Amino acid sequence: KQEVTQIPAALSVPEGENLVLNCSFTDSAIYNLQWFRQDPGKGLTSLLLIQSSQREQTSGRLNASLDKSSGRSTLYIAASQPGDSATYLCAAPNAGNMLTFGGGTRLMVKP
Amino acid sequence: ETGVTQSPTHLIKTRGQQVTLRCSSQSGHNTVSWYQQALGQGPQFIFQYYREEENGRGNFPPRFSGLQFPNYSSELNVNALELDDSALYLCASSLDIYTWGESSGNTIYFGEGSWLTVV
Repeated sequence: KQEVTQIPAALSVPEGENLVLNCSFTDSAIYNLQWFRQDPGKGLTSLLLIQSSQREQTSGRLNASLDKSSGRSTLYIAASQPGDSATYLCAAPNAGNMLTFGGGTRLMVKP
Repeated sequence: ETGVTQSPTHLIKTRGQQVTLRCSSQSGHNTVSWYQQALGQGPQFIFQYYREEENGRGNFPPRFSGLQFPNYSSELNVNALELDDSALYLCASSLDIYTWGESSGNTIYFGEGSWLTVV
């Protein structure tokens, strides 16, 4: 059974800092891993989907890496902005795109 | 804008009642999944439908049931509501269920969710 853990659970940083969010998973037999953003009281927005054949995926100031051998993924946010404040969730799929989510990292970027 | 819409956005029910939540997926998306997200936690997988058939279920009791219709809409039904059912219920759709192979992998699109409060 896949288990996904995210560290830290909460993070508060000043604007402009570069930061790293961590995600670990127990079953490395995955073909991809997905990072989502969730604003308070809202649904999930897909940020990045990393295939197992890729080690990194980039979108703007976001960079996600995947290391299946160690069961880890990281989301790097460069030059953080107050608008980045949200909860960030990683999710690993099992057969059929059924996702197992971590508990999320609640990010606060202070002006 | 993900193209996935859910209704209602908020509702309050009494313990023991039944509730139906609705979702409209993107056209062409054959797979719909439902997730329950308690406050402060990550979403938990309830079940998934592919071409109107349930093809996967999480650790939820039978009083959680669903339907998927040919017009890419779906429903989540919960009977005999309990206080612990209070949560955000998320619908997600994707093109297909298959993620085999390194070149596969579907982006999954979530709706804004339905907030259910059971009192």
